[in-house]
Amino acid sequence: QVQLQESGPGLVKPSETLSLTCDVSDYSISSGYYWGWIRQPPGKGLEWIGSVFRTGSAFYNPSLKSRVTVSVDTSKNQFSLKFNSLTAADTAVYYCARDTGSPAGTYDSWGQGTPVTVSS
Amino acid sequence: QSALTQPASVSGSPGQSITISCTGTSGDIGRFDLVSWYQYHPGKAPKLMIYEGSKRPSGVPNRFAGSKSGNTASLTISGLQAEDEADYYCCSYAGGSTVIFGGGTRLTVL
Repeated sequence: QVQLQESGPGLVKPSETLSLTCDVSDYSISSGYYWGWIRQPPGKGLEWIGSVFRTGSAFYNPSLKSRVTVSVDTSKNQFSLKFNSLTAADTAVYYCARDTGSPAGTYDSWGQGTPVTVSS
Repeated sequence: QSALTQPASVSGSPGQSITISCTGTSGDIGRFDLVSWYQYHPGKAPKLMIYEGSKRPSGVPNRFAGSKSGNTASLTISGLQAEDEADYYCCSYAGGSTVIFGGGTRLTVL
């Protein structure tokens, strides 16, 4: 059973960059699938941020693309999210997840989520 | 890329059936048979309930069924149970290796 675990700061200042990492266990990222980041702002719905393949090819939500970078490190079996120019609107619970589609939005395994607050 | 449209809330009594709709466009739901549905309890990770439109992952009861007509996908839960009370999100592949979620529907079991 694959497991995912997010890590990163819980509090970030406005205009700064958020860096989150997702550690994957019991499955090798090198074996395949897409690996994604999804967030949920307080009181709002889920929002897809982006995903990455084992080769490093990354794909992004068009509305966030200018501020987001998703990357993969197969040697550490982890993938990461960098989100710059943060504002209070980026306050959310951030999830990492595995997409078993090609991709397809078939997120069969998720991390528990890490809350991030953007505030000075 | 606008979010898929879902009703904000639906409700039903135990044993009844409910249907949650998810409306997209000819560029996402209408074009691809790649809609998934997630059950979300606050504080927990979302759980995949339906994928590729109508397939159920192992362990998901057959009370949950997915379908599609045109640009609208639907999730039907039959034999409603108290434990089904949760938020439900649809998700569709939108081309170009991108994905889009719906705004979510709160299901209340009366």
